[in-house]
This record gives sequence, structure tokens and C-alpha cells, in this order.
Amino acid sequence: ELKVEQNPLFLSMQEGKNYTIYCNYSTTSDRLYWYRQDPGKSLESLFVLLSNGAVKQEGRLMASLDTKARLSTLHITAAVHDLSATYFCASAYTGNQFYFGTGTSLTVIP
Amino acid sequence: DAGITQSPRHKVTETGTPVTLRCHQTENHRYMYWYRQDPGHGLRLIHYSYGVKDTDKGEVSDGYSVSRSKTEDFLLTLESATSSQTSVYFCAIRNRFTTSTEAFFGQGTRLTVV
Repeated sequence: ELKVEQNPLFLSMQEGKNYTIYCNYSTTSDRLYWYRQDPGKSLESLFVLLSNGAVKQEGRLMASLDTKARLSTLHITAAVHDLSATYFCASAYTGNQFYFGTGTSLTVIP
Repeated sequence: DAGITQSPRHKVTETGTPVTLRCHQTENHRYMYWYRQDPGHGLRLIHYSYGVKDTDKGEVSDGYSVSRSKTEDFLLTLESATSSQTSVYFCAIRNRFTTSTEAFFGQGTRLTVV
């Protein structure tokens, strides 16, 4: 069974600041996924990282993948209030099973 | 938006009663998943399917069963609902054989067992 761990679980940051969310996974996998969830809503796909060294950027968010370290990061640059949400990473095990981390609840304070 | 519909969207049921949640897709994706979401636990995989009549257990499958008789429908059944099964249930679909292989989610079903 694949274990996916995120930290921190809760993150409160001021607007304009930078921060990184970390995602560790326990078994060999070359694909890592990031999702966003707004309160009371479903999950929205943000990034798909398909290989070691992959980097994807969208606006103030940048995700990267290091398969050797089994680590992915989601970096937030110059945070704004609209980024307040819960962020999940996920990885696939045996290609079939799709496991999620516990999520990071981000609050951006004006 | 991916064509995924969950029904019902909200349900209140009594302890000990059977409950069936439905996930319907129009994308013809082979893989379908049921998750439950609880505070502090993120999303936990209950069961998944990799084709018609092909299903397997996830990490929290006790007390749940599934069926998939058609590509487009994946049913989750709580045989005898308990209060610990109060949760938000999400269905997801995935096309494993495309480049991205990401999963797309339905809107969720909020189930309350009283």
C-alpha cells in the first residue's frame, strides 16, 4: 500500500509571502498529482508531474518532482487571498490505485 | 468538466439501513474510484474498478461493497450503515492510458448516518 504524507497540514501565511508544501510518498512511482479543493467543493486538478525532475508552473504556483527522493513540492510565490484552499498531492500505485495525502489547508491573510 | 455525476448529492439515513450511492460517467474511462473524505484524513480509497465486473479493495473497504455492471456506472453500497460512515463520498474517473492519467472527480455525496 502506498503512503502519501504532506506537510504542513495547516498553513497560515501573509499575502505577498512565499512558502512550500511538501509531499512524500512511500513506494516507487514516477507520477505525482496536485489538486486543489475549495470549501464544500470537489477537487480540481492543478498539476501532473510525469517524470523525475519535472517542473510545472501556473501563475503563483510551481510544482516539482524528485522521484529518487520520493518528494514533490508545491511552491507558492507572493501569496494572494484567492489561493486560500486545501491542496492535496496524490500518487499512483501499481498504476491502478490512486492514493492521496491528508491535504494542506492554506489560509492567506491580508 | 469531466462528465461525472454522483447521486444522490445529500442523504440522511438511519443506522442499520442499506445505502447505495451511484457514480455515472459519460467519458468511457476504464478506471473508477470511490473515496471518502473526513477531516484530518484527506481522501481515503474505498474501492476501485479497472473494468466491467473488475473491482478491488482500497485502504478502507470494510463495510462497503461495489458493483460495476456497465462501463458508465459504479455503485457503492453500505450494507448496514453505521455512524462512522458519515462522510463525504467522492467518485473519480481516470483514463490510465493517456499521457496525463490524472483523475477527475464528481461533486461528492454528503452522507449522514443517524
